[in-house]
Amino acid sequence: IAGITQAPTSQILAAGRRMTLRCTQDMRHNAMYWYRQDLGLGLRLIHYSNTAGTTGKGEVPDGYSVSRANTDDFPLTLASAVPSQTSVYFCASSERTSGANEQFFGPGTRLTVL
Amino acid sequence: GQNIDQPTEMTATEGAIVQINCTYQTSGFNGLFWYQQHAGEAPTFLSYNVLDGLEEKGRFSSFLSRSKGYSYLLLKELQMKDSASYLCAVRGGDYKLSFGAGTTVTVRA
Repeated sequence: IAGITQAPTSQILAAGRRMTLRCTQDMRHNAMYWYRQDLGLGLRLIHYSNTAGTTGKGEVPDGYSVSRANTDDFPLTLASAVPSQTSVYFCASSERTSGANEQFFGPGTRLTVL
Repeated sequence: GQNIDQPTEMTATEGAIVQINCTYQTSGFNGLFWYQQHAGEAPTFLSYNVLDGLEEKGRFSSFLSRSKGYSYLLLKELQMKDSASYLCAVRGGDYKLSFGAGTTVTVRA
C-alpha cells in the first residue's frame, strides 16, 4: 500500500541516549516534514526538506537533526535525548510545497524520554 | 510568528450540524487546510481553500475570508464516526504549514 511508514511505533528512551526515527515514503513526493504533537499545542514543525539533498529548520529545531540523501527517506535524529522531547512525532510528505498539495502523514512514533 | 485560534472542544448531536471556526494572523498567506485526526491516529486531509468563498465536499464544507483572517469547517448530518479532532492549518508566506491546537468534536447519540 502506497504511503508513509514510520519506525519505531513507540519507544522508551533514557535521557542522554541517541535515537533516530525513521520515515519512508513511496509516493515520490518532493517535500517531507517532521512534526511533533504535544497536548494543547498542536503540530509543530521541526525540520523540513523541499527536495532531496536539501533541508531546512522549522519552528522547533533545537536538539534535532535531519538528512535527505534520497527522495524516499527522511530520518530524524535526537543526538542526546531530553525529557522535553517526549512527544508524538509525525512524518509527512507532499508532492510540492505550493498549490493544493496536501501533506500526507505517517502513523506517528510515540517517544518517551525518561 | 503565526497565530491560529480555534475552539478547544465542541459537542453536538448525531444528525446535527457543527461549525468549527478558525481565525489566523500569519506572515503571508498561501492557503488554508483542514485536517481530521482521530484519537491515536495520523491527521488526514479534509479540505483546502486559497480563494475567498465556500468549498463543498459531501457532508463537509470549508469557508475562507482572507480579509478577515477567518475560516470555518462545517460538518453536516453528523455521524458518530465524525468524533475526532479537527485541525486548522495555514500555509504562510514561507510555504510552511502552521497548525492550530485543534478542536475536539464529540458527537452524542
